[in-house]
Amino acid sequence: AQSVTQLGSHVSVSEGALVLLRCNYSSSVPPYLFWYVQYPNQGLQLLLKYTSAATLVKGINGFEAEFKKSETSFHLTKPSAHMSDAAEYFCAVAPYNNNDMRFGAGTRLTVKP
Amino acid sequence: EAGVTQFPSHSVIEKGQTVTLRCDPISGHDNLYWYRRVMGKEIKFLLHFVKESKQDESGMPNNRFLAERTGGTYSTLKVQPAELEDSGVYFCASSLQENTEAFFGQGTRLTVV
Repeated sequence: AQSVTQLGSHVSVSEGALVLLRCNYSSSVPPYLFWYVQYPNQGLQLLLKYTSAATLVKGINGFEAEFKKSETSFHLTKPSAHMSDAAEYFCAVAPYNNNDMRFGAGTRLTVKP
Repeated sequence: EAGVTQFPSHSVIEKGQTVTLRCDPISGHDNLYWYRRVMGKEIKFLLHFVKESKQDESGMPNNRFLAERTGGTYSTLKVQPAELEDSGVYFCASSLQENTEAFFGQGTRLTVV
């Protein structure tokens, strides 16, 4: 069985500061891991995904995430926050197929000027 | 190319009434998924269609929920009768294959009063 825990339902950073959104997973099989973003009034958009090809995954909009098996983590980072990054971010885990995708509760990112 | 579209974007109904949500997947995507996010909690899987067939409906909460995908194109999710706890955001997603990227719609926000 798979599950995801996102630490912190709300994260606030200043513009230009490091963004770090935490995600820990539990999986009985080698996982596929995802980060999705939801901007206001829009659908979920895939930021990046890990499929075992490389532990450091680069996504869109300057985001990246590192898969750490020893820590069962898949934290999302961005070196410098931009106002347009304000959104809700979801971590998800799946064995390989979409219909068993398990999402975290989401982290709302606020970027202060 | 149009993405996944969902109708309506918002719906407010009274307890006991019926509501039908619609999802139009990306053209050519055989796989269609419904998810639900209740009260700011995690997004949970409801069911998965492959063309017109229900591949997995293990996430459907109870028999007040009925999903259909006649002809394997658009899908509807009917809630009858609606209860207060059905309030939340209902997401639809589609993918070309079961293990390829799922594209999400913007969601339908359902409020039962």
